[in-house]
Amino acid sequence: EIVLTQSPGTLSLSPGERATLSCRASQSVSSSYLAWYQQKPGQAPRLLIYGASSRATGIPDRFSGSGSGTDFTLTITRLEPEDFAVYYCQQYGSSLPQFTFGPGTKVDTK
Amino acid sequence: QVQLVESGGGVVQPGRSLRLSCAASGFTFSSYTMHWVRQAPGKGLEWVAVISYDGTNKYYADSVKGRFTFSRDNSKNTLYLQMNSLGAEDTALYYCARGGYGSGSYPFDYWGQGNLVTVSS
Repeated sequence: EIVLTQSPGTLSLSPGERATLSCRASQSVSSSYLAWYQQKPGQAPRLLIYGASSRATGIPDRFSGSGSGTDFTLTITRLEPEDFAVYYCQQYGSSLPQFTFGPGTKVDTK
Repeated sequence: QVQLVESGGGVVQPGRSLRLSCAASGFTFSSYTMHWVRQAPGKGLEWVAVISYDGTNKYYADSVKGRFTFSRDNSKNTLYLQMNSLGAEDTALYYCARGGYGSGSYPFDYWGQGNLVTVSS
């Protein structure tokens, strides 16, 4: 079973700053089947990034994903007020269906 | 537009059963893999189960294997999650989510708003 670790647990930043979130897998994630989701309080998660670096429909270009193998990054170039939320990474592909989520990184206001 | 609406949650005593439903609309339901994901209060996301587009293949998280059964009725565009032998650890908001078209590995691109299950005596 692939285990995902996210860091930091909490990221305290101001609007306009750059956010860099990390997701590390215990084993290589096949074919970069790595996604990122945003969840705001009281809302369902929203898909941001899939395939490690492809933006989902309607996602602003200030969100970008990178990485491969076991190390992945979500970058938000300039934080907007609506970006303060919890971000989860997820691996969604393997020979045995596994859809593991990381524990999440909370981006809050400094 | 794609809509997923969960129902059937509520308060249930430990050891009892509950069945969740998820009504889908706005897409060709019978062509998509579907999932259940849960979130305990104040905690992160936990994948629960997946079902193939035709209902023939199902996989479960170890935490629910043998207790939960995932099914679908493509004629009614509806998913079902039968939950038996419920324990306090099953208390969570349960989301249904859309996976990919056909088979293959896909992220979850649409989610319902969630349905709360509380296991308490």
